[in-house]
Amino acid sequence: GEDVEQSLFLSVREGDSSVINCTYTDSSSTYLYWYKQEPGAGLQLLTYIFSNMDMKQDQRLTVLLNKKDKHLSLRIADTQTGDSAIYFCAETLSGGYQKVTFGTGTKLQVIP
Amino acid sequence: DAGVTQSPTHLIKTRGQQVTLRCSPISGHKSVSWYQQVLGQGPQFIFQYYEKEERGRGNFPDRFSARQFPNYSSELNVNALLLGDSALYLCASSFQNTIYFGEGSWLTVV
Repeated sequence: GEDVEQSLFLSVREGDSSVINCTYTDSSSTYLYWYKQEPGAGLQLLTYIFSNMDMKQDQRLTVLLNKKDKHLSLRIADTQTGDSAIYFCAETLSGGYQKVTFGTGTKLQVIP
Repeated sequence: DAGVTQSPTHLIKTRGQQVTLRCSPISGHKSVSWYQQVLGQGPQFIFQYYEKEERGRGNFPDRFSARQFPNYSSELNVNALLLGDSALYLCASSFQNTIYFGEGSWLTVV
């Protein structure tokens, strides 16, 4: 079945790199997403990667996908205090309708 | 360009009442989906609509219903509200595999 898992909490110092990890169970994942949620707000799409890709880079964000291990990571370079938020890993599966399955979210705390 | 817009942003209802939440997708997007996010959890899929037809439904009771209009906007209705329906309700608009979410409607059931 569908299951997306993330660690609950990550703390980093301002200026360091952050790496948020995610594992998923369903091998029929087609697209994998990273969303950011600030307190009291909706979800902001950060980036997404097609499941046949290994890496995608977008400014300070780097997504790495290890399809064999079903492991996805999001690296944020030069982490800033404005990056403090909850980060959700999510997947959609092939076939049928478009349903996004989310992880439980990783709370990123950036220490000045 | 306007993103996904939802209304109302906050509302308080009493147990047993009914609520209607509204969503306008990004211009040109024909797919609208609804999600429920309970505090401290990731969003859970409720419905997807595409071209005014229901394409998928999550594991929610029949008290939850939705529809999509010719202009692709959508409404989510929840009848016979329970305390456990208190949550953030998110609308998503998508074009191919790019999925954008609105700011959500915060529903509190008392």
